[in-house]
Parts: sequence; C-alpha cells; structure tokens
Amino acid sequence: GIQVEQSPPDLILQEGANSTLRCNFSDSVNNLQWFHQNPWGQLINLFYIPSGTKQNGRLSATTVATERYSLLYISSSQTTDSGVYFCAPQGGTYKYIFGTGTRLKVLA
Amino acid sequence: DTEVTQTPKHLVMGMTNKKSLKCEQHMGHRAMYWYKQKAKKPPELMFVYSYEKLSINESVPSRFSPECPNSSLLNLHLHALQPEDSALYLCASSRDTGELFFGEGSRLTVL
Repeated sequence: GIQVEQSPPDLILQEGANSTLRCNFSDSVNNLQWFHQNPWGQLINLFYIPSGTKQNGRLSATTVATERYSLLYISSSQTTDSGVYFCAPQGGTYKYIFGTGTRLKVLA
Repeated sequence: DTEVTQTPKHLVMGMTNKKSLKCEQHMGHRAMYWYKQKAKKPPELMFVYSYEKLSINESVPSRFSPECPNSSLLNLHLHALQPEDSALYLCASSRDTGELFFGEGSRLTVL
C-alpha cells in the first residue's frame, strides 16, 4: 500500500514565526487532505487539496501530485496552532492513509 | 452543518464486557469510516461502509464488529477486547469518495 512520510516529525517555534511542513507519498493519489489534531484528539479539516495551491488565512497548502508531495505553510504562528498536523492522501477508493504526523509546539 | 457525532466520548470496559460505539451524521454522506488511533500514532483505517454496505475491512480482528443500520448511523460493537485495544476510535463520513469529516472520537480503555 501507499507509504506516507511527513517531515519534520517535531517542530518548536516562537510565536510569530513561519514554517513549512512536508508530506511525501509513495504512489499516485486521487485526493489529499491536511488535518490539525488538537490536544483533545479532534481532527480538524484544514485543506482538501488533490493538486494546486489553496490558502485559508495564515495557512496555505500546495500539492504537486506528479512529484508525490504536498506542503503546508503556516505563517505568523500562534500558540493555538500547537498540535499534530497530519496529511492523508487517498491511495485507493475510500482509502485515506494518514502520514506519520508533525508535532508542532508554538511558544509564547 | 459539517457535524459527525460520536457517543460515548469515554468508555471503560472489562475484557468480558460487550459494548458499542455509535456515530451519526446528517450531512447526507453515503460513506462512513472507523479509524483507530493509538497514543502518538496516526489514525489507522479499520472499516469503510459505502451506501450501507461494507466496502473495506482492513483485516480487523472479529472482536470488533461494525454495523451500518442506515445511511446516517454507524456502530462499532466491541466484545472480548484486550487491553491493547485501548485507543481513540474515530468515526468519519464523506460524500462518496470526497472530503472526510471526523467526529470528536470515543476514547476507549479496556481493563
């Protein structure tokens, strides 16, 4: 099955800093989502982005499906951005496979 | 309204108990999913129902038994679980093969 690696695994930022999270996947995919998991475990949808670039406030994402990667940009980070970020490419019908995750901590 | 509701939020059960986790969505989605997440690990797909039929079973042990009574409801029946089955169980739904929307999860502890 599809393999999904995210980098970096852990990231500590000072409030106001920018960051780029990367998601590499081993096979072609139909769709891809980015999620933020808050400390209580809820998965919050950030982007549904099979290809191209999308922006939502301080966050943006780019997927280059032909090169099998996606990037999540966080600008002017805030303490509320802390948590775990997952990408989940769809490797087969209904098969969204989660990446290894990036654990982000933003310090005040 | 993009809400998936899971109950209970927390469940503690013994290894001989039988319990169920419930999931409900009213977004008209026709695919519903169960994922299992252990601490500090990514969610892992367990089951997918599409149009109320089981489409995917990721070789899950039979002590986990899914049920989809109708297009809005998804249950996960639990019987004779082991302590290593303690985890966060996440339900999700999607409009066919599109974007996934997750519930808040049910945190299960098996004693």
